Amino acid sequence: GAVVSQHPSWVICKSGTSVKIECRSLDFQATTMFWYRQFPKQSLMLMATSNEGSKATYEQGVEKDKFLINHASLTLSTLTVTSAHPEDSSFYICSASPAAGKTADTQYFGPGTRLTVL
Amino acid sequence: TQLLEQSPQFLSIQEGENLTVYCNSSSVFSSLQWYRQEPGEGPVLLVTVVTGGEVKKLKRLTFQFGDARKDSSLHITAAQPGDTGLYLCAGGGGSNYKLTFGKGTLLTVNP
Repeated sequence: GAVVSQHPSWVICKSGTSVKIECRSLDFQATTMFWYRQFPKQSLMLMATSNEGSKATYEQGVEKDKFLINHASLTLSTLTVTSAHPEDSSFYICSASPAAGKTADTQYFGPGTRLTVL
Repeated sequence: TQLLEQSPQFLSIQEGENLTVYCNSSSVFSSLQWYRQEPGEGPVLLVTVVTGGEVKKLKRLTFQFGDARKDSSLHITAAQPGDTGLYLCAGGGGSNYKLTFGKGTLLTVNP
C-alpha cells in the first residue's frame, strides 16, 4: 500500500518551454501533497505544500508564478515549471500524506522526475 | 524554525561492519521518519516512530526514538553492499504536516 506515482520519470525540454509533472497517490487519498527539489547527494528541499481544493503554500524563495501547483483532487497534484531555464534542471520529487490521524505525518514519495532544460 | 542535525554526513565502511546514524534536535517532534533513497529514485519509507523511547527493528536495522522525542538513531548490523544509499531522517509535527529533514547520510558499503 501507500504507492505514489510520478509522471514523467524524466523529461528534456528547450529553454523557455513549460513542463508539467504529475503526482498521483494510487491507493490512498492525500489531502496534502508536497513538492521537493533535490540536488545531487543532498537532502530534499521543500518547494511547496499543496492542499486539495486550495492554493498551494510556497516556501520562502520559491517563485509561485514559475512553479505552478494544482491539487485538483485527493489523488492528483501537478507541478508546472513555466518558462524553464537551465538552472531549473533538477530532480523533482513529490510526496503525499494520508488524510488524517497519526499517520498524517508520514509522507510517501514518488519516484521522482529528472528535468533537464537545454 | 525546527532543525534536525544528522550525522555523519558521509560514511564508507566495509561489508560486515556495524554503523549508527544520528539525528538530533532541540525541538520536540510528534514523529520521526527514516527514509532510504537510491540514486535516481524517490525516498522509500523505512519506519515511523511516534512514542518517546520507542525502538523498532527491521531485520538488521534498529531504529530508536529518544525519550524526549528530540532525537533518533538508526543502527545497522553487519552492513551489506545493498544497504548503500542516502539515509534521511525527518521529523513530523510541522504546520500543514510538513516534515523537517536532516541533511542526509550517504552510506557506502564496500564488498
